[in-house]
Amino acid sequence: NAGVTQTPKFRVLKTGQSMTLLCAQDMNHEYMYWYRQDPGMGLRLIHYSVGEGTTAKGEVPDGYNVSRLKKQNFLLGLESAAPSQTSVYFCASYRQGGWTEAFFGQGTRLTVV
Amino acid sequence: KQEVTQIPAALSVPEGENLVLNCSFTDSAIYNLQWFRQDPGKGLTSLLLIQSSQREQTSGRLNASLDKSSGRSTLYIAASQPGDSATYLCALLTGTASKLTFGTGTRLQVTL
Repeated sequence: NAGVTQTPKFRVLKTGQSMTLLCAQDMNHEYMYWYRQDPGMGLRLIHYSVGEGTTAKGEVPDGYNVSRLKKQNFLLGLESAAPSQTSVYFCASYRQGGWTEAFFGQGTRLTVV
Repeated sequence: KQEVTQIPAALSVPEGENLVLNCSFTDSAIYNLQWFRQDPGKGLTSLLLIQSSQREQTSGRLNASLDKSSGRSTLYIAASQPGDSATYLCALLTGTASKLTFGTGTRLQVTL
């Protein structure tokens, strides 16, 4: 019963490098979300998806892209990393209709130098 | 746009005190409201979920209430313990766009 799994847990990137963060959930949830958490800023929504093949922009989408080719996976991509993208990234999933609680991954700590 | 505010931002209480954390929001068209706990360097753990049709939920020493008409929710913690020290976040699932929006959290410290 894994819940929500994020890969990797830690990563250090050089400015300009690219990477993909993977979020996988095994609960058959329709909704999936990517957040970043910064000191003093709280959790800010980057992108989200309400179903396979759909994505939408959140509060801070610039510099990120996402894809939801399979219902269980939600990928977050950084095409050209910048120091401003140093943050802790959290993925969450939710059943459609909100009848159960949201589940969160353990986070990915990303440092861009 | 849903705006979620949590007051106070930080709180320090002695062990054994009862306390109330507040969450206010601007858009009452919500599916539900959820309270989370986050320990330093860790992910978020769900504490209580209140559906939009409900007024409160209880789990052990925790009680959460929801008043959509006034745009407010409270999390009541009874007989606080040092193990309750953490950051508490409220989040709302907004019906119009299926967005899950968070408050900025209340950092709680319970001292011996």
